[in-house]
Amino acid sequence: DTAVSQTPKYLVTQMGNDKSIKCEQNLGHDTMYWYKQDSKKFLKIMFSYNNKELIINETVPNRFSPKSPDKAHLNLHINSLELGDSAVYFCASSQGHTQETQYFGPGTRLLVL
Amino acid sequence: GENVEQHPSTLSVQEGDSAVIKCTYSDSASNYFPWYKQELGKGPQLIIDIRSNVGEKKDQRIAVTLNKTAKHFSLHITETQPEDSAVYFCAASKEYGNKLVFGAGTILRVKS
Repeated sequence: DTAVSQTPKYLVTQMGNDKSIKCEQNLGHDTMYWYKQDSKKFLKIMFSYNNKELIINETVPNRFSPKSPDKAHLNLHINSLELGDSAVYFCASSQGHTQETQYFGPGTRLLVL
Repeated sequence: GENVEQHPSTLSVQEGDSAVIKCTYSDSASNYFPWYKQELGKGPQLIIDIRSNVGEKKDQRIAVTLNKTAKHFSLHITETQPEDSAVYFCAASKEYGNKLVFGAGTILRVKS
């Protein structure tokens, strides 16, 4: 009964491939996020959705495309993977989108070879 | 945009001692300041937060202080225990969007 879950936990792939990471939350929250944590542990927001509507879209290459089929799910699709995409990707959720606690998933460790 | 600086990058303390981590922010419109703890192999978890209408907040061994004039806030952990060892992140956000801008993190090691 994990609150925010992500699959897969580990992802190893070749440059140029396309991959997806899935996220689900069972907290009944309206807002979901994707963060990228690089090798130096720096954590940066990529996207945020509120009730399936995109509300935050940081300067992220358009190879990254989030998709929210419903408010409990936010998936991240990455096209034409590059070496620099190697990182840990965290999904998070919060009740609303105005300064509320964000609950993070366990992360997906992506390694691009 | 907002920039959050966090110091120190690593901190080693003896069990039972206190630990202090400091952050400064650049955007005076930021008014919400959470602190997250990240254990090895896990996602960050909120441990305490403070809003700009409050100068200090305490929760058992953890406290946060905020100086809006100087635009800095600090995390204080007293009576540290080995299980406090983790990476700690400060963050700042403005009213709408809940966009958190994180500091670079502090690796805290509590030696027993």
